Amino acid sequence: KAGVTQTPRYLIKTRGQQVTLSCSPISGHRSVSWYQQTPGQGLQFLFEYFSETQRNKGNFPGRFSGRQFSNSRSEMNVSTLELGDSALYLCASSLDWNTDTQYFGPGTRLTVL
Amino acid sequence: DAKTTQPNSMESNEEEPVHLPCNHSTISGTDYIHWYRQLPSQGPEYVIHGLTSNVNNRMASLAIAEDRKSSTLILHRATLRDAAVYYCILIERRDDKIIFGKGTRLHILP
Repeated sequence: KAGVTQTPRYLIKTRGQQVTLSCSPISGHRSVSWYQQTPGQGLQFLFEYFSETQRNKGNFPGRFSGRQFSNSRSEMNVSTLELGDSALYLCASSLDWNTDTQYFGPGTRLTVL
Repeated sequence: DAKTTQPNSMESNEEEPVHLPCNHSTISGTDYIHWYRQLPSQGPEYVIHGLTSNVNNRMASLAIAEDRKSSTLILHRATLRDAAVYYCILIERRDDKIIFGKGTRLHILP
């Protein structure tokens, strides 16, 4: 069974731009969650989607948004990029978020200049 | 919010057991304790999880204190491949939030 895939793997943007990251979950998984990882803050939960609905959200500003499609693929969007948004963005899929094992993708490394 | 506390780093010799501690003193009765690890340049991977009883799987064992305020991940025989950052995660069902600890960076000495 194919694992979680994320595209692109690397991205360089400048301040003020916006970016869209994509995540394809493991087949059959309906829950997709997103995380931001930085050296200073560690791994922080952004939000979780289940059957196209955002069920849970972490403490991030509204510039961070996401959506999930009917095939469970998910996108994350960050608008008006700031230097501090440079991070590794990870997505994870599972059958259900808080009861099942999460399978993480390799991440997208975003650099904001 | 419930939080977890882990040592920043630990060292162990290859082929010896490793005990990775985690404190979660504000855990509530229905919170599960999950452990994930992150190998260099990879996304985190699941290791083990438990609620009240000790748990074993092919990767590790999880020992949960009777009062559930702490737990210990046990790698029975560490290999170089076990060098990673280990995260103790509390799944807080009440608030539907996932709170990660800072993680413990485990160094394995050959």
